[in-house]
Amino acid sequence: KNEVEQSPQNLTAQEGEFITINCSYSVGISALHWLQQHPGGGIVSLFMLSSGKKKHGRLIATINIQEKHSSLHITASHPRDSAVYICAASPGAGGTSYGKLTFGQGTILTVHP
Amino acid sequence: GAGVSQSPRYKVAKRGQDVALRCDPISGHVSLFWYQQALGQGPEFLTYFQNEAQLDKSGLPSDRFFAERPEGSVSTLKIQRTQQEDSAVYLCASSSLRGGGRHEQYFGPGTRLTVT
Repeated sequence: KNEVEQSPQNLTAQEGEFITINCSYSVGISALHWLQQHPGGGIVSLFMLSSGKKKHGRLIATINIQEKHSSLHITASHPRDSAVYICAASPGAGGTSYGKLTFGQGTILTVHP
Repeated sequence: GAGVSQSPRYKVAKRGQDVALRCDPISGHVSLFWYQQALGQGPEFLTYFQNEAQLDKSGLPSDRFFAERPEGSVSTLKIQRTQQEDSAVYLCASSSLRGGGRHEQYFGPGTRLTVT
């Protein structure tokens, strides 16, 4: 079993739909990252969180430390949101971790107009 | 300022050739990571530098893989005697400060290596 599991692996939506991508991890973490990767492009960091909830525009990320689970939500989805979304865990507690990331396998999101 | 850059962006090598992949991190960033991303998979950790010190090389798949960062800035990942299973995108990321667990990592565009 991978240390970081994402679901679903593939997600297709119509423009305007509310989207949720889930991430479960089995290791202790100092932070959980949500990343976006466009085809042929590099990886962009969307969120880094260790507790609670963060919001940026139409994107919302939440984390439940006790349940070792995080979700990425996209409200009012748009075709330009089509990309691969990856969650990644930074194992370790507090300041002992240097930031090495363990990645999920990614969720391929396609939003149709 | 400039982000993380990597070169070359694409590299085709014949099996058995040696390759060198370069990473220019964001100026002043202490931490530098190399990751390998096979087609359709999430990235996997290869190695980590804090300044010029290679503190973790546990992810390097074999002794054909070697990485260095001699002056604590630019890093080179070298693969000797390339094999087809080395075909992947090699990603470099940098982060400010030590103890980067709670610090954002900035990724380069990657080098796509194809071994024929």
